[in-house]
Amino acid sequence: KQEVTQIPAALSVPEGENLVLNCSFTDSAIYNLQWFRQDPGKGLTSLLLIQSSQREQTSGRLNASLDKSSGRSTLYIAASQPGDSATYLCAASEGNFNKFYFGSGTKLNVKP
Amino acid sequence: GAGVSQSPSNKVTEKGKDVELRCDPISGHTALYWYRQSLGQGLEFLIYFQGNSAPDKSGLPSDRFSAERTGGSVSTLTIQRTQQEDSAVYLCASSLMGVTTNEKLFFGSGTQLSVL
Repeated sequence: KQEVTQIPAALSVPEGENLVLNCSFTDSAIYNLQWFRQDPGKGLTSLLLIQSSQREQTSGRLNASLDKSSGRSTLYIAASQPGDSATYLCAASEGNFNKFYFGSGTKLNVKP
Repeated sequence: GAGVSQSPSNKVTEKGKDVELRCDPISGHTALYWYRQSLGQGLEFLIYFQGNSAPDKSGLPSDRFSAERTGGSVSTLTIQRTQQEDSAVYLCASSLMGVTTNEKLFFGSGTQLSVL
């Protein structure tokens, strides 16, 4: 079973700062990894999906990297904005089985 | 529909009662997942449906939990004889296919279940 850990659990930064969220997983035989955003009282929105053959994916101010050998992924947010405040979760697949295992998330607060 | 729809959005029930939670996935999506999110916790996998294949029920926590998917579309998660520890947000997600096609998951807004 895939164990997914996210550090830190919470992060507070001033607007405009660049920041990195960390995700680690125990089974390197993943098929893909996704980063999600969750706003209070709402479901999850997929931000980026990285296939096992890829090392990074970019969307706007977001960049996600994947290092299978070390069991790590990072989500880089450039020039953070108050609207980025949310909980960010990563989810790693278990091989090619149709399951995603989620971390407990990092709650981000971007202060104006 | 435009997105994954779940109903009800909130459900309060008494311990020992049965509840049914509904999920309507995005039209054409063959893969459907149920997850549970307890307060301050990550998402816990419950069950997975793919087309007409037998579902993967390996995440269901007890035999009080069951789910079905009719006609390859709408899914219902049933919890019998609810217990207080069943209180959580139940989230449904769908994707066009499964993991091996590298497609994003789309989540509904969830059902907040409170067992008194």
